[in-house]
Amino acid sequence: EAQVTQNPRYLITVTGKKLTVTCSQNMNHEYMSWYRQDPGLGLRQIYYSMNVEVTDKGDVPEGYKVSRKEKRNFPLILESPSPNQTSLYFCASSRTVTQPQHFGDGTRLSIL
Amino acid sequence: RKEVEQDPGPFNVPEGATVAFNCTYSNSASQSFFWYRQDCRKEPKLLMSVYSSGNEDGRFTAQLNRASQYISLLIRDSKLSDSATYLCVVKEDVGGGFKTIFGAGTRLFVKA
Repeated sequence: EAQVTQNPRYLITVTGKKLTVTCSQNMNHEYMSWYRQDPGLGLRQIYYSMNVEVTDKGDVPEGYKVSRKEKRNFPLILESPSPNQTSLYFCASSRTVTQPQHFGDGTRLSIL
Repeated sequence: RKEVEQDPGPFNVPEGATVAFNCTYSNSASQSFFWYRQDCRKEPKLLMSVYSSGNEDGRFTAQLNRASQYISLLIRDSKLSDSATYLCVVKEDVGGGFKTIFGAGTRLFVKA
């Protein structure tokens, strides 16, 4: 089954404790992306990747890192999480840069 | 000015009604356009891509006007199951990269 898989689905953690949210797709898609969704602000792009070893900042990259060492994986790293990073996070992928994206189920992150 | 703007609604309509959503985008270098629907903070799901020639999928019709930088979605014969938030999405060429910009969404409630 074609899918985008994010883990974990839910996480409660504390300020400053490094965490990684994994994202994997099995569709051989080139374009992958991370978003955060906050009430009243909609989805905002954090980082995106157009292919292996190619990553670029979206609109809200501060406090996040990503890597794209393999085509299927695109982890989101919070080196020193802060409460303002409490949000609902989505990973998505598309076959090419201009095609529509498929989304993972989302990760609810709470930073205390 | 927001890069992608939508009327937030909510739109409250009876079953069987026709409802139209509009979306404007500010970047003339925008390349791809989509409508997604999102239910109760679940992952966004592709409704349809939007082309300059217009396209239709059952009860749904999407239009793109590049000159006016305007996208529309028309839903005919509304069903209760159409109740959701509708997201306008634009992919922009940012010179070597492609950002994805979401509108804040338009909320639709279809009532019996």
